[in-house]
Amino acid sequence: EVQLVESGGGLVQPGGSLRLSCAASGFTFSSYAMHWVRQAPGKGLEYVSAISSNGGSTYYANSVKGRFTISRDNSKNTLYLQMGSLRAEDMAVYYCARDLTPGSGSSSGYFDYWGQGTLVTVSS
Amino acid sequence: EIVLTQSPATLSLSPGERATLSCRASQSVSSYLAWYQQKPGQAPRLLIYDASNRATGIPARFSGSGSGTDFTLTISSLEPEDFAVYYCQQRSNAGTFGQGTKLEIK
Repeated sequence: EVQLVESGGGLVQPGGSLRLSCAASGFTFSSYAMHWVRQAPGKGLEYVSAISSNGGSTYYANSVKGRFTISRDNSKNTLYLQMGSLRAEDMAVYYCARDLTPGSGSSSGYFDYWGQGTLVTVSS
Repeated sequence: EIVLTQSPATLSLSPGERATLSCRASQSVSSYLAWYQQKPGQAPRLLIYDASNRATGIPARFSGSGSGTDFTLTISSLEPEDFAVYYCQQRSNAGTFGQGTKLEIK
């Protein structure tokens, strides 16, 4: 059974940093691109970041570019999102999601399995 | 950035009725469009990808159509568990989501 379990969320002050983790199991993690998607309270979904299966290629939404860093450790089956210079508008539930299609090429850009999400609260 | 506009914002229907949800892109996304369902307190669930392909395990009452800038998600006969929020998402140029359509029980 595919499982994605996020952790690392919590309360952080504006300007602070936080690292999210996503532990994957039930599939060959190193074969899939992975993604982060967020959802502000009561709002819609926003695509945040992506990383290729081998970690060699990354993508960031303009809203987080230069402040967030996505990475992965395929030996630990874990995806990360390092978040810095946090702002009030970064407050959201952060979901990790698996790409629909395995492979070392570019991702499908669709997300077939999602974690339960971890809440990041940015407040003084 | 490609903007996706979903309509209507809210759709009120009864179980057994047919639901038609729309998603319009600000520029062509070819067939690179997906639909997701999200229930309160849950993560989204992939329903349709590449405009018309049902994801694994998705019932046949869900179907998608369209290409270019205009897309439709149809639920042929609503079941009680189908009442949720639905999002479209494009992967043609990075990835953006529509603002969602809330499907509520009439």
